[in-house]
Amino acid sequence: NAGVTQTPKFQVLKTGQSMTLQCAQDMNHEYMSWYRQDPGMGLRLIHYSVGAGITDQGEVPNGYNVSRSTTEDFPLRLLSAAPSQTSVYFCASSLVGSSNEQYFGPGTRLTVT
Amino acid sequence: SQQGEEDPQALSIQEGENATMNCSYKTSINNLQWYRQNSGRGLVHLILIRSNEREKHSGRLRVTLDTSKKSSSLLITASRAADTASYFCATDASDQGAQKLVFGQGTRLTINP
Repeated sequence: NAGVTQTPKFQVLKTGQSMTLQCAQDMNHEYMSWYRQDPGMGLRLIHYSVGAGITDQGEVPNGYNVSRSTTEDFPLRLLSAAPSQTSVYFCASSLVGSSNEQYFGPGTRLTVT
Repeated sequence: SQQGEEDPQALSIQEGENATMNCSYKTSINNLQWYRQNSGRGLVHLILIRSNEREKHSGRLRVTLDTSKKSSSLLITASRAADTASYFCATDASDQGAQKLVFGQGTRLTINP
């Protein structure tokens, strides 16, 4: 199993550009989520999904869009990039329900100039 | 907002010594989890302790949970150079079965040979 994969690893955007961060998992996990990590801080939840066709907002959803058309994929869209969105983005997946460990991807480092 | 606060922010010890990290949180939780992050990598799940558990062991790791004080500690015994990483606590307080983790800011642990 590849686990959780993310592409790209690095990306530089200009302010106002849009892009999609890709996330895929091959563990048949119902739950997937996106976090951002800023320097010296822990991860903050952006959006999450408990299954195909179902998404919901986390702590910091503004400026981001998600969709979940399949169990495997959970792309994160930046609609109009801003310098405040410069961060490292992590995708995670797990089985639905409490007490399940989350599996994290390697991250995408995004810089917005 | 960050629910978990970790202490210390940084810890440097000699190989072979024990390392203790503390985490405090603010609300009632379903469980508390500890993750490790090596530099430039994603997070790796270490251990999960449920709200009705007080202590849990996994190899060289020992986690305690005191729900009356809303605090947890992670003890790594007989530290090794490979334990050098950042350690994060994360709390799950969701009541909907979707695990929305709230992370602390992390403790940066350095093991000196």
